[in-house]
Amino acid sequence: EAGVVQSPRYKIIEKKQPVAFWCNPISGHNTLYWYLQNLGQGPELLIRYENEEAVDDSQLPKDRFSAERLKGVDSTLKIQPAELGDSAVYLCASSLSLGMNTGELFFGEGSRLTVL
Amino acid sequence: QQQVKQSPQSLIVQKGGISIINCAYENTAFDYFPWYQQFPGKGPALLIAIRPDVSEKKEGRFTISFNKSAKQFSLHIMDSQPGDSATYFCAASSYKLIFGSGTRLLVRP
Repeated sequence: EAGVVQSPRYKIIEKKQPVAFWCNPISGHNTLYWYLQNLGQGPELLIRYENEEAVDDSQLPKDRFSAERLKGVDSTLKIQPAELGDSAVYLCASSLSLGMNTGELFFGEGSRLTVL
Repeated sequence: QQQVKQSPQSLIVQKGGISIINCAYENTAFDYFPWYQQFPGKGPALLIAIRPDVSEKKEGRFTISFNKSAKQFSLHIMDSQPGDSATYFCAASSYKLIFGSGTRLLVRP
């Protein structure tokens, strides 16, 4: 069974440019997460989807970040315009829906963004 | 109150030794405490998890010890192997999974 697939794995852009990351979760997983991982830190939740609904986007900087999961399967995370401080690894994860309690999250390998 | 504090930041252990990583939390609503393992260039992967109704859970060489009254939990890796060298994250959840800052473990041959 395929795991969580993310692309691109690496992206280098100039500041103020836009960038988009794509994620395909494990088949059958209704819950999808985008996490931000800074160097030497733990992952921090940006947004969580239950099917196509964003149920927790409280930590998403909405002035420059946006996300969508239109058909409740794959998802795109966009940054426009990118800033130097956005350099990080963007992790996508998926899980079976377990109501209010999170079970095991399955992570992709991440998309490493470098903003110059 | 949502933080999970993890220590040490890094750890070096000889092969065959015991690795111990500690975490502390404040939010008493947390009811799920997993540990994730992350290798360079990979995403975190679930290693072992515990719920607060038990004080210990063991899976192979990995054991979680949980102290509800102290609001602390720890990961013990027995007979540590070079292949265990990775970054370990504790986490806690009620409705959202909060990760600690990670411990970079190096097991020397």
